Amino acid sequence: GPKVLQIPSHQIIDMGQMVTLNCDPVSNHLYFYWYKQILGQQMEFLVNFYNGKVMEKSKLFKDQFSVERPDGSYFTLKIQPTALEDSAVYFCASSLNWGPNTGQLYFGEGSKLTVL
Amino acid sequence: QQQVRQSSQSLTVWEGETAILNCSYENSAFDYFPWYQQFPGEGPALLIAIRSVSDKKEDGRFTIFFNKREKNLSLHIKDSQPGDSATYFCAASWNSNNRIFFGDGTQLVVKP
Repeated sequence: GPKVLQIPSHQIIDMGQMVTLNCDPVSNHLYFYWYKQILGQQMEFLVNFYNGKVMEKSKLFKDQFSVERPDGSYFTLKIQPTALEDSAVYFCASSLNWGPNTGQLYFGEGSKLTVL
Repeated sequence: QQQVRQSSQSLTVWEGETAILNCSYENSAFDYFPWYQQFPGEGPALLIAIRSVSDKKEDGRFTIFFNKREKNLSLHIKDSQPGDSATYFCAASWNSNNRIFFGDGTQLVVKP
């Protein structure tokens, strides 16, 4: 089936550093998402993105977070500066359409971020 | 407040048995309930989903039973196979939105 690729699969950084998580969504998809999963806990919505803009973000999407997708490139999540509580697995997802009935989300394998 | 709850963190069944995974939700506005299956090292993948206008959805060995009045649902996996061993996430959203609320997941182990 359609694949969402995430790079890197695991990154370890020191607190205060910047990190960029990259997502290569399904090629014809138009809507992009980031979810955060802390070990042993539920996956939580961070942000969704369409047509170059953030459509909706949750309270977990702190000011230190930003997303973008320059033309033809990855959909990225940047955290600057990182904090200890940012340690989690970040899942990227994409969908062709909007609305859960028609806009099935395809998830990547996750990027595990460890902040020391 | 957790919007979607799954009653068991883990469940073990024998091959051939029916595995039943339970889920409940808080928000009456939810009208779409997908179940995701996740294998270790992979992202969650949509397994089966139901809309709130239905009380049952079947797809092969997988069936969702939905009770709108009680705000709960369950996923039944008939004739469980060792290959079904995975984490299953109950989730919910409403039709006008793609923001999905996930439960904590139930780790299913099917013993041969």
